[in-house]
Formats: sequence, C-alpha cells, structure tokens
Amino acid sequence: QVQLQQSGPGLVKPSQTLSLTCAISGDSVSSTSTTWNWIRQSPSRGLEWLGRTYYRSKWYNDYAVSVKSRITINPDTSKNQFSLQLNSVTPEDTAVYYCARDQEAFSINDAFDIWGQGTMVTVSS
Amino acid sequence: DIQMTQSPSSLSASVGDRVTITCRASQSISSYVNWYQQKPGKAPKFLIYAASSLQSGVPSRFSGSGSGTDFTLTISSLQPEDFATYYCQQSYSTPRTFGQGTKLEIK
Repeated sequence: QVQLQQSGPGLVKPSQTLSLTCAISGDSVSSTSTTWNWIRQSPSRGLEWLGRTYYRSKWYNDYAVSVKSRITINPDTSKNQFSLQLNSVTPEDTAVYYCARDQEAFSINDAFDIWGQGTMVTVSS
Repeated sequence: DIQMTQSPSSLSASVGDRVTITCRASQSISSYVNWYQQKPGKAPKFLIYAASSLQSGVPSRFSGSGSGTDFTLTISSLQPEDFATYYCQQSYSTPRTFGQGTKLEIK
C-alpha cells in the first residue's frame, strides 16, 4: 500500500529555512495521475494547503499565494520523494506540516487520500 | 479563493445518534467536495470524495450528499470511534481549501 514518510527538524530559528522531506513508497513521484502536496495545520489557520508538485510530461508546481514568495517544492526522482522549503520563517509558520497524495488529480475524484504522519515544526529562537 | 464554511463548529451527541454536518462553499463547486476525519495527534483520514462516494474501507454509516454550494456529511448511528473532528475540502479549484472543522464530542 502507498505510504508517505516525513522527515526533517522540528525546530527552526526565525528568518531561517524550514526544510522537510516526504519519502514515497508504493507509488511514484513521477506518476501522471497524482499530485504531491504539502499542507499545514495550526490553531490560527486551520488546515492550509501550501502547494504541490506533479509530472505531466514535464514538472509543474503550484503554490498558495500566502507563501508563494518563500516556498519551493521539489521532486527527487532518484529517491522517489519530494521536499518542502519555506524561507524566512517567522513564529506564524509554527504548525504541523503534512505531505499528502492527491489521487486522480484534476478529476471529480481528486482528493487527499494518503497523508504523511505529520511533523510539528516550531519557529523559535 | 473558495471559502468553505462548516456548521456547527462543535456538536455533542451520544452513541447511536444520527448526526449531520453541513459545509457551504462560497461559490458553486459542482460535486468537488471531500470529507476527512481527524483524531487528536493524527493526520486527517480520507472518508468521502466527489461529495457522496465512500472511500474504500470506510464504514457504510458514513454518507455524503449535496452539490453546488451546500453539502452534508451524515453519520447514521454514531459509534465510539467516530468522535473526532471532521473537515470538508473543495477540489474544484486551486488553492485547495478546507472548512474550519466540526468537533464531534460525546454527550
């Protein structure tokens, strides 16, 4: 079955870069029917979609406007994983971060069917 | 961005009760709505897609309905393991957006 395993630090200093990785098993980051997403959750913002990467003959990315100037999501086909980098973090970026697969993307069945375990990231000096 | 508004924000119910949670979209989104269940300390669990299709393995006491702007999640007979927070989410457009959640508590 498909599983997503997240890794990365739980504490990041203000102004630095938050970096997380999501390793995929049972599927391929290069799949042409899915997208690979990062979502965060905090008491103040609820569940907030941050962005995605996906392959459709070439690689595409979409990002939320709220983080667009600071975010990069990259696929790594050699390791079958994808990563999140969020630059210039502030305490407002403190949240649980999830990676998630979007099944049958761009169809009526489009949904986040598989989630990583979550990583609590605290931004503090 | 499409806003998803759930009601109520919290709900107290007893085992065996039938409960309904409502989700309203800020514009028409056809049937592009999904529902998730989340328990404390866990990732959301995918329950329903395309407004009314049950994900494989999800108990049949869960059902979804609606189209356009108004959607509902119904649990026909609450079980102890159903006490959790439920979220709707639209997949009609980017950015994907979620409702604020409905916390289902034991009465």
